[in-house]
Amino acid sequence: DIVMTQSPDSLAVSLGERATINCKSSQSVLYSSNNKNYLAWYQQKPGQPPKLLIYWASSRESGVPDRFSGSGSGTDFTLTISSLQAEDVAVYYCQQYYGTPPHTFGPGTKVDIK
Amino acid sequence: EVQLLESGGGLVQPGGSLRLSCAASGFTFTSYAMSWVRRAPGKGLEWVSTISGSGASTFYADSVKGRFTISRDSSKNTLYLQMNSLRADDTAVYYCASPKSESYSRPFDYWGQGTLVTVSS
Repeated sequence: DIVMTQSPDSLAVSLGERATINCKSSQSVLYSSNNKNYLAWYQQKPGQPPKLLIYWASSRESGVPDRFSGSGSGTDFTLTISSLQAEDVAVYYCQQYYGTPPHTFGPGTKVDIK
Repeated sequence: EVQLLESGGGLVQPGGSLRLSCAASGFTFTSYAMSWVRRAPGKGLEWVSTISGSGASTFYADSVKGRFTISRDSSKNTLYLQMNSLRADDTAVYYCASPKSESYSRPFDYWGQGTLVTVSS
């Protein structure tokens, strides 16, 4: 099974500043036949279900603010919030959806305001 | 509008059983794979199980294999999770989730609000 790790476990960023979250997979999630990375990012706020932000590692879901961006390929990925807003306080998870399940999640990164 | 509504959670003793349901609306139920994902208190998201659109293929996390059974009823547009031999570490909020696709290899676009399962004596 593919194991997902994230860093840091938590971070505190000032309003308007950049937040960067890293995600690493134990094996490549890049499918060579279509050159797509099977990697998604989710945001979960307290008392709410997760919300899909990014898929194919860098495609933004409809309605997601453009301050959220994803990058990376193969085994190393990054979620960047370019200018942190108060409503971005949440836990962020990466997930690989490569091949058949299990489609494992990373352990999560908690983002707070400094 | 796609809606997923879970029910069936509650308090159960260790070793007991519970069946969760997820009523789906707003899309052609048999067109989409469906999954269960859980979040234990103070922990992160854990994928639990997935079933194909036809119901012919099922997948389970090692932590629940042999104890949980996923199924779906297309006549009722409902997804189920039968949970047997429950343990304290099964305590979690259980979400049903689905990609906008019959393929398993897609992220979860749609999520229910979740139902809480508490395993305790």
